[in-house]
Amino acid sequence: AQTVTQSQPEMSVQEAETVTLSCTYDTSESNYYLFWYKQPPSRQMILVIRQEAYKQQNATENRFSVNFQKAAKSFSLKISDSQLGDTAMYFCAFNTNAGKSTFGDGTTLTVKP
Amino acid sequence: EAGVAQSPRYKIIEKRQSVAFWCNPISGHATLYWYQQILGQGPKLLIQFQNNGVVDDSQLPKDRFSAERLKGVDSTLKIQPAKLEDSAVYLCASSLDGSENTEAFFGQGTRLTVV
Repeated sequence: AQTVTQSQPEMSVQEAETVTLSCTYDTSESNYYLFWYKQPPSRQMILVIRQEAYKQQNATENRFSVNFQKAAKSFSLKISDSQLGDTAMYFCAFNTNAGKSTFGDGTTLTVKP
Repeated sequence: EAGVAQSPRYKIIEKRQSVAFWCNPISGHATLYWYQQILGQGPKLLIQFQNNGVVDDSQLPKDRFSAERLKGVDSTLKIQPAKLEDSAVYLCASSLDGSENTEAFFGQGTRLTVV
């Protein structure tokens, strides 16, 4: 069975600063994908960034980047130059073959002005 | 492109009543998911369809929950009878082909309160 653990239920950061959200997972699969999704208050969940497990290079999308440590089964999200619109709940998710997703319980991020 | 549509947005029912949720996925998406998201937790997969066939329903409480996907497009999720612990947001999502690298697109969810 796959598990995803997000150990930080809540975090806060000052606007324009950098914050890192942690995620660890457990699986026996050798090939899989990891995702970070963002769920703003009262709005739908959207994809932030994805990482292929067999790629060593960390994915980046503008201000968002990941630190993927396959041996440690760690997949953290770094948000640079935090903006007020980044305030949301962030979910780490894990996809196996056939697209079955397992989500963590989320980290609520508050960006303070 | 139009996103995943869900209705209703909110529903309040008494325990032991029945309720149904509707989802219209993104056009052309073969895979449709129903998730249950209890307050403070991550989404939990209830059922996954590939076209109109069920791929995974291992976590669907089949004694009270049922789901169907007519003609491989729209889907309905039904709860009968509802229990207090069914209070949650029910999320519908769709993806192009359900492979491990494809992004899931989510609807806004239906918030169910069972009193």
